[in-house]
Amino acid sequence: KAGVTQTPRYLIKTRGQQVTLSCSPISGHRSVSWYQQTPGQGLQFLFEYFSETQRNKGNFPGRFSGRQFSNSRSEMNVSTLELGDSALYLCASSSPGTGGQGAQYFGPGTRLLVL
Amino acid sequence: SQQGEEDPQALSIQEGENATMNCSYKTSINNLQWYRQNSGRGLVHLILIRSNEREKHSGRLRVTLDTSKKSSSLLITASRAADTASYFCASQGAQKLVFGQGTRLTINP
Repeated sequence: KAGVTQTPRYLIKTRGQQVTLSCSPISGHRSVSWYQQTPGQGLQFLFEYFSETQRNKGNFPGRFSGRQFSNSRSEMNVSTLELGDSALYLCASSSPGTGGQGAQYFGPGTRLLVL
Repeated sequence: SQQGEEDPQALSIQEGENATMNCSYKTSINNLQWYRQNSGRGLVHLILIRSNEREKHSGRLRVTLDTSKKSSSLLITASRAADTASYFCASQGAQKLVFGQGTRLTINP
């Protein structure tokens, strides 16, 4: 099976712009989670989607949003970008039947730089 | 912060030696997981231990869990250069995974 894929891999934006990142989970996986990784804050949970519904949400401002499509692909959007949004954004999917409890399979990440 | 803590933050050992990393978490859990990350890439799942388990093995990996102390340890035996990476523990309660800050492991040839 193909692994989790994320596009684009690298992105440069300027403050105030918005960005959309895409994630395709492993075939058959219906749960998709998003994480932000920065040197200062480490890995932080953004949100989780399951069957097109947001199931869990982390402690991030409303500028961060996401959605999931019927084919389980997910997108996250960050509006009004700030310098502090520069980070590696990781997407992960998990096997069906685990109820979200279990191993997460991560994509390679999208590295976002905000100038 | 809800994040767990890992100790040490960095560890440098000789190839062939064993490496031990420790993790503490803050809330009750259903399971605890360990992941490896190479140079800012995606994370790779290594092992999962459930809250009712005390020890688990997978190849050269040995994980222990002490729920009374809210702590876990990861032992990598007979280390190899390819084990050089950052290692993260992640505790999972009813919902999301909460990651520790990670241990940067360097294996010297």
